[in-house]
Amino acid sequence: GAGVSQSPRYKVAKRGQDVALRCDPISGHVSLFWYQQALGQGPEFLTYFQNEAQLDKSGLPSDRFFAERPEGSVSTLKIQRTQQEDSAVYLCASSLTGAIDEQFFGPGTRLTVL
Amino acid sequence: GIQVEQSPPDLILQEGANSTLRCNFSDSVNNLQWFHQNPWGQLINLFYIPSGTKQNGRLSATTVATERYSLLYISSSQTTDSGVYFCAVRKAGTALIFGKGTTLSVSS
Repeated sequence: GAGVSQSPRYKVAKRGQDVALRCDPISGHVSLFWYQQALGQGPEFLTYFQNEAQLDKSGLPSDRFFAERPEGSVSTLKIQRTQQEDSAVYLCASSLTGAIDEQFFGPGTRLTVL
Repeated sequence: GIQVEQSPPDLILQEGANSTLRCNFSDSVNNLQWFHQNPWGQLINLFYIPSGTKQNGRLSATTVATERYSLLYISSSQTTDSGVYFCAVRKAGTALIFGKGTTLSVSS
């Protein structure tokens, strides 16, 4: 596609529900990144894939967060048993290779946990 | 980890004014990007500039890698320039580390 797309754009969940957030990277981009952006802050790293391999998941805040990219293209970020502190914008980015090249971001999914 | 500091945190301008935003980082990096986050939350790529100087219309950027800083220049500002400007850096094989941003408000 022309750019990185994410769905849904907005998600409201009740505390304790599971949610799944989708990211479609730019076609042909090898690397995919997930970031979390709290209100008034810069994005913070969650996890990184190169093709289907999850190379770094050090930013995931708890074991309730899980990400996958089974075929090396679309990725899903899953949050189990959501908590209010999970409310944030979740951003996905992709880059052509991944070493040091430019990252391009999707529009984000705004998650609100009630 | 690498620390990224942006200044000023807030900037208020009249339309037509010029401004300079600064980004300092605490370690050598392989990539530096400037973004504009619009009111709808979209991060728009402005510059990929690990070193040197680039210009795009009314915007230009300079990174002095040896001194660990980058500058973003906005000339003849317009109301559509309003939003948050982020600097982000990374080392090879790692994710971007963002500063806290500069919030720019341009009034007509």
